[in-house]
Amino acid sequence: AQTVTQSQPEMSVQEAETVTLSCTYDTSESDYYLFWYKQPPSRQMILVIRQEAYKQQNATENRFSVNFQKAAKSFSLKISDSQLGDAAMYFCAYSNYQLIWGAGTKLIIKP
Amino acid sequence: KAGVTQTPRYLIKTRGQQVTLSCSPISGHRSVSWYQQTPGQGLQFLFEYFSETQRNKGNFPGRFSGRQFSNSRSEMNVSTLELGDSALYLCASSLELNRLPPNTGELFFGEGSRLTVL
Repeated sequence: AQTVTQSQPEMSVQEAETVTLSCTYDTSESDYYLFWYKQPPSRQMILVIRQEAYKQQNATENRFSVNFQKAAKSFSLKISDSQLGDAAMYFCAYSNYQLIWGAGTKLIIKP
Repeated sequence: KAGVTQTPRYLIKTRGQQVTLSCSPISGHRSVSWYQQTPGQGLQFLFEYFSETQRNKGNFPGRFSGRQFSNSRSEMNVSTLELGDSALYLCASSLELNRLPPNTGELFFGEGSRLTVL
C-alpha cells in the first residue's frame, strides 16, 4: 500500500531565510503525481506545487521549489525568502487515482 | 468563478444525533471528495463521488455516508454521532476522477465544516 511520511511535525524559520520540508513516500507505481498543499490557520487548503513522476526536472513556483528524487522516493519542499504569510500546515500528498496524505508539517515563521 | 462552498461552517451537536454537511463544487467539476481532519489523526479520506457514484471509500464506519446529486453537489451524513467525530470536515472538488497526467490532479478545497460533538 502506498504511504506518505512527513517526519517533521513542526519546523520554524527566520523570516527571509530558507527552509526545507521533508516528505518520503512508498509506492510500486511508476507514474503518479506528488503535491504540496498549504493550509493557513483557519483558511482553506490550497495547492502549492505539483510534480509529475515522469518528469525529471524539479517543479518550481516562484519561491517554492521541490527536490524530487524518484529512486529514493523523496519529495522535499524548499521555501526561499520565507515570509510571514508562509506560516501554515504543509501537507505532502501522493496521487495515483486516490490521494494519500502525509501527516503534515507545521511551519512557523519568526519575524 | 466561485470556489468550493461548504455549509454549515460551524455546528454543534450532541452524542447520538445525526448531521448532514453540504458541499457545492466549483462549476464544471464532477468529482467531490470528503476528508476528516483532526489534530490527532491528520487528514483522513472519507469517500469520493464522481457522476453521482461513490468511486472510492476510506476506512470509516458505516455511520458515515454520502451522496452526490446530478448537479455534482454532494452531501455527507454522520449518524449516531460520537465524541470522536468532532473534526473539521473538508470537501474538495476536481475536474476529473483520474488524477494521472495529462489531468492536473489538483484538488480545490472548501473552507470546511467544523463539527463539535458534545
